[in-house]
Amino acid sequence: DGGITQSPKYLFRKEGQNVTLSCEQNLNHDAMYWYRQDPGQGLRLIYYSQIVNDFQKGDIAEGYSVSREKKESFPLTVTSAQKNPTAFYLCASSIRERGPEAFFGQGTRLTVV
Amino acid sequence: KNQVEQSPQSLIILEGKNCTLQCNYTVSPFSNLRWYKQDTGRGPVSLTIMTFSENTKSNGRYTATLDADTKQSSLHITASQLSDSASYICVVVGNYGGATNKLIFGTGTLLAVQP
Repeated sequence: DGGITQSPKYLFRKEGQNVTLSCEQNLNHDAMYWYRQDPGQGLRLIYYSQIVNDFQKGDIAEGYSVSREKKESFPLTVTSAQKNPTAFYLCASSIRERGPEAFFGQGTRLTVV
Repeated sequence: KNQVEQSPQSLIILEGKNCTLQCNYTVSPFSNLRWYKQDTGRGPVSLTIMTFSENTKSNGRYTATLDADTKQSSLHITASQLSDSASYICVVVGNYGGATNKLIFGTGTLLAVQP
């Protein structure tokens, strides 16, 4: 099956800890994205990557970091610098940047305890 | 101010009824407008994609319309089913905040279909 896989589905983190969310796609897409979704708000872009070894900050990149060492993988690290990390995180990919179709993963719900 | 406004925020309808969701946007220029369906706790799934030259597009019981002059779009759901209960998100792809071809998300309309 082709698609985007995010893991884990639920994640709990203690304050002050870094945590990494996984995103893998086998769609052969060049572009990958990370979004954050909070209640009552639209999705907000954290980081995006158009090609391997290159990525750009989105609207709310502070407190987050990413890497793109492989075309299939775009992990997101939520660092201790992110003051309000509890949210639903969505990974997406498309054939090219902002291309006509963006496919989303199933999301990871991160809770700080 | 949000560039993509959706209404209503939430809606309850009975199974089998029709409904229409609205999306008003101020993004300009824009290249395409999309409607997504998002089940609770899941990722959004694309329903329709329309360029500025398209007026209507259907996907089964879902029909989206676009009026680029008034910057309005609607999503009409026919003969609703319980499985239609979800959040419906309008997304405009255009120029915003100095970036080109940016995806700008509405906050969604939460639809509940009751038996």
